[in-house]
Amino acid sequence: AQKITQTQPGMFVQEKEAVTLDCTYDTSDPSYGLFWYKQPSSGEMIFLIYQGSYDQQNATEGRYSLNFQKARKSANLVISASQLGDSAMYFCAMSHTDKLIFGTGTRLQVFP
Amino acid sequence: DAGVTQSPTHLIKTRGQHVTLRCSPISGHKSVSWYQQVLGQGPQFIFQYYEKEERGRGNFPDRFSARQFPNYSSELNVNALLLGDSALYLCASSFLARDTYYNEQFFGPGTRLTVL
Repeated sequence: AQKITQTQPGMFVQEKEAVTLDCTYDTSDPSYGLFWYKQPSSGEMIFLIYQGSYDQQNATEGRYSLNFQKARKSANLVISASQLGDSAMYFCAMSHTDKLIFGTGTRLQVFP
Repeated sequence: DAGVTQSPTHLIKTRGQHVTLRCSPISGHKSVSWYQQVLGQGPQFIFQYYEKEERGRGNFPDRFSARQFPNYSSELNVNALLLGDSALYLCASSFLARDTYYNEQFFGPGTRLTVL
């Protein structure tokens, strides 16, 4: 069965520093997609970055990059130059045909 | 362009009542999915509808039902509400191509349901 694991319930990072949020996944399907979403306290899920299982290069979107290690089944999110507005819950998710499977999330707090 | 919209934003019900949540997808999106997010957890998949047909269903009891209308908007219905149904209900729309694993979903702001 497909599963996403996020082992960091909370992370702290100082403003302007980089931070890595961990995500491991489990699937026997050779075709899948991996996503990261940000959820501020308002509740809306904001799409950050996507990595396809056949993509050869790691995805990047501005300050976000995805460290994709297929053999280890990991898809860690790296946020460079953290900003106070990055404080939120972050969810890793995997697409499987009709749905997204989410992890339990990591609460990131950025301090000045 | 407008994003995914959901109504109402907040709702308070009592046990045993029925509730209907509504969702309008992004223009051009034919797929709508519903997720339940209990406090402190990640969203859990409830339903996906594509072209008015149910395409997928998560592990939820029959008290949960949904439908999609010709304009691709959707309703989620929950009967005989339980305290455990208190959650944030998220709707997501996507331009779902057939036979693809790429399914970027755009989420609405959610409906926060409280069952007393």
